[in-house]
Amino acid sequence: AQSVAQPEDQVNVAEGNPLTVKCTYSVSGNPYLFWYVQYPNRGLQFLLKYITGDNLVKGSYGFEAEFNKSQTSFHLKKPSALVSDSALYFCAVRDQSGTALIFGKGTTLSVSS
Amino acid sequence: EAGVTQSPTHLIKTRGQQATLRCSPISGHTSVYWYQQALGLGLQFLLWYDEGEERNRGNFPPRFSGRQFPNYSSELNVNALELEDSALYLCASSLFGQHSNQPQHFGDGTRLSIL
Repeated sequence: AQSVAQPEDQVNVAEGNPLTVKCTYSVSGNPYLFWYVQYPNRGLQFLLKYITGDNLVKGSYGFEAEFNKSQTSFHLKKPSALVSDSALYFCAVRDQSGTALIFGKGTTLSVSS
Repeated sequence: EAGVTQSPTHLIKTRGQQATLRCSPISGHTSVYWYQQALGLGLQFLLWYDEGEERNRGNFPPRFSGRQFPNYSSELNVNALELEDSALYLCASSLFGQHSNQPQHFGDGTRLSIL
């Protein structure tokens, strides 16, 4: 069965420092991977996706993610964190039926000034 | 372009009642998905509609149902409400459905509270 794991409930980083939010996945076949962000009382905003091709994917708001097939990981990164990046981040994989998204439990990112 | 819109924003019901949640997808999107975000349970897939038909369902009882209209908007109906149905219900739409590499775009959700 497809699954996604986000091993950290919370990540704390100082403004201006690089950030990494971790995600590992388990799929049969080639994965379709996504990152979303959720601000309080809002829905999910799409950040970026990996379908095929370059292992480094660039997305919205300066975020990028690195796909690593051997480690089955898809970590979200940003070179310089902003206080406004503080939010709940979800990693997701499209399920075997090719329709629904299977989400990790989410990682709260807290950026301090 | 207008995003996915959901109504109402909040809905308060009592046990045993029925709730109806509505969703309008992004213009041009034919696939609509419903997810439940309950405290402690994370985000779980409920239903997928495409071209007016229910195409896939998550691990939820039949009292969760819905439909998609000819204009691709969708309704989620929850019958015989239980306390554990209290959650944020998110609707998403995408350009294509099955095996698509297109992302799903989400609305801001309906907060359903069961008293």
